[in-house]
Amino acid sequence: GQQLNQSPQSMFIQEGEDVSMNCTSSSIFNTWLWYKQDPGEGPVLLIALYKAGELTSNGRLTAQFGITRKDSFLNISASIPSDVGIYFCAGQKANAGGTSYGKLTFGQGTILTVHP
Amino acid sequence: GAGVSQSPSNKVTEKGKDVELRCDPISGHTALYWYRQSLGQGLEFLIYFQGNSAPDKSGLPSDRFSAERTGGSVSTLTIQRTQQEDSAVYLCASSLVALGAYEQYFGPGTRLTVT
Repeated sequence: GQQLNQSPQSMFIQEGEDVSMNCTSSSIFNTWLWYKQDPGEGPVLLIALYKAGELTSNGRLTAQFGITRKDSFLNISASIPSDVGIYFCAGQKANAGGTSYGKLTFGQGTILTVHP
Repeated sequence: GAGVSQSPSNKVTEKGKDVELRCDPISGHTALYWYRQSLGQGLEFLIYFQGNSAPDKSGLPSDRFSAERTGGSVSTLTIQRTQQEDSAVYLCASSLVALGAYEQYFGPGTRLTVT
């Protein structure tokens, strides 16, 4: 099935560094979401974006909904060891009526490793 | 608890056997979703429910896969005559409603291994 193009696939950084990852698509999405998944757990929602151009922060996390509706990025500032995990972007399309439709399309994930 | 729960957490089955996976959504959430995550991959949509009906079953990989939801709450995903390629983590999510900008919250998943 369709997947979003998420990059990078993996990142190895030092504690305190900033991190940036992004997702792109060939089609438009009405909603972008960013999730974090720890081993053996389900994805946990970090940030949800609903409007093109929207910039939203959640603590050290900042995400933006691209103006073309075909991309989004997530930044993590001043990384700490507990930021380790897999980060997924997910997009939700609109149905014919213009409201968001339930199904999420996911990127393949960015594996983040933080060295103390 | 207040979150999405799934059972069993792990299931090992022999090829050809049937399995049932259960999902309890967050109380009050009318929309429920099933996804599959293969090793090292992102999540693949299977089916979603709005109430007890399933408007979109397009992600079910074959007719061996089926799901039902009764009482607008608990859902069961059934895989008949399991194959080794069915091995994956099956994740359930729920949201307040499906239409509109409502976030999906995930359960911990069921890890299925077909031997």
